[in-house]
Amino acid sequence: QKEVEQDPGPLSVPEGAIVSLNCTYSNSAFQYFMWYRQYSRKGPELLMYTYSSGNKEDGRFTAQVDKSSKYISLFIRDSQPSDSATYLCAAPDRGSTLGRLYFGRGTQLTVWP
Amino acid sequence: DSGVTQTPKHLITATGQRVTLRCSPRSGDLSVYWYQQSLDQGLQFLIQYYNGEERAKGNILERFSAQQFPDLHSELNLSSLELGDSALYFCASSEEDRAGELFFGEGSRLTVL
Repeated sequence: QKEVEQDPGPLSVPEGAIVSLNCTYSNSAFQYFMWYRQYSRKGPELLMYTYSSGNKEDGRFTAQVDKSSKYISLFIRDSQPSDSATYLCAAPDRGSTLGRLYFGRGTQLTVWP
Repeated sequence: DSGVTQTPKHLITATGQRVTLRCSPRSGDLSVYWYQQSLDQGLQFLIQYYNGEERAKGNILERFSAQQFPDLHSELNLSSLELGDSALYFCASSEEDRAGELFFGEGSRLTVL
């Protein structure tokens, strides 16, 4: 079982739709969770960073963590064609380095005009 | 632009050969990470260096090695290449005390024929 599991999609929605992207994780010791966005032919870039359970909002993006069910979600409101990318959830190892990230496989999102 | 520079962007080589991928981290970042991204495995952590010293090892094959130089640039050496080594190789850097906030380069796409 992978540390972080994510449905690869693809997901295709019309402009303006609300998008829900989801991941599950297996290690209850994970405390931090991230969402990275990766455009085609580019490296991943950090989108959202959360700690512990609850919601975190940043503009049209909301990250949600439910530690009781080991579920991570990213919601995108009023989705735009520029949101078309692959979204990867991640959690860092709590061992000797906090930079070792366990990534989900990524969900490919297309927002069409 | 993340500030992380990777060369070469594309590389095509034959099985059994050896290649070197190069990474320059963001100015001031002491940690460098190498990740491999393939369609079947997703983004996998390979190895981390901090200020010239190996800090953590992930799913890195014995045929692969890396190092970080005094000027903080890093190189990933891949030898005895196999078809299955074809992938995107990403370098990332971070400030030491920020868990999970990695800045990725644009990657080096390796094709082994």
